[in-house]
Amino acid sequence: NAGVTQTPKFQVLKTGQSMTLQCAQDMNHNSMYWYRQDPGMGLRLIYYSASEGTTDKGEVPNGYNVSRLNKREFSLRLESAAPSQTSVYFCASSEGLSGDYEQYFGPGTRLTVT
Amino acid sequence: KNEVEQSPQNLTAQEGEFITINCSYSVGISALHWLQQHPGGGIVSLFMLSSGKKKHGRLIATINIQEKHSSLHITASHPRDSAVYICAVATDKLIFGTGTRLQVFP
Repeated sequence: NAGVTQTPKFQVLKTGQSMTLQCAQDMNHNSMYWYRQDPGMGLRLIYYSASEGTTDKGEVPNGYNVSRLNKREFSLRLESAAPSQTSVYFCASSEGLSGDYEQYFGPGTRLTVT
Repeated sequence: KNEVEQSPQNLTAQEGEFITINCSYSVGISALHWLQQHPGGGIVSLFMLSSGKKKHGRLIATINIQEKHSSLHITASHPRDSAVYICAVATDKLIFGTGTRLQVFP
């Protein structure tokens, strides 16, 4: 079992460029999440997907879009990158949506926008 | 005021010392999570608890729901315990603390 995988691990973008961060899980989990982690701040939820076919905004959704392609895959798209989106991005999955379920995290994507 | 506060922010210890990291929260929760983030960046779940105490090896987590407080203890600390420890409380989602950076020196 690979758990939760993310690609790429590192990315540098210029302001205005677009990119998609990929995430996949092989644990048959229903719920998936995208977080960003910035220095001095806790992980913040960008978007989540309670189950295949549904997505919802989290705490900081502006500038991002997501797609729950199937039960395994949940991608995060930056349509026009801005320096404020420089961050480390984590994908996570859990069996169910509520915080009563353990979340499993991917290794992270370090994104720099210049 | 943050809904989840951890203390201390930074902690250094000598190998073998007993470590305590604290987490206080201000919202109603259904569970509390402790996570570990290694220097390489990966995040793993250590504990999820809603009452009492849980133990795994040298790690012990306790929670007092009435006082809205949890502690993570590490007994006989080792340099490989060096990491950031993150508390997260479960409402309808997870709300994360900013983490406690622990360094254990030989």
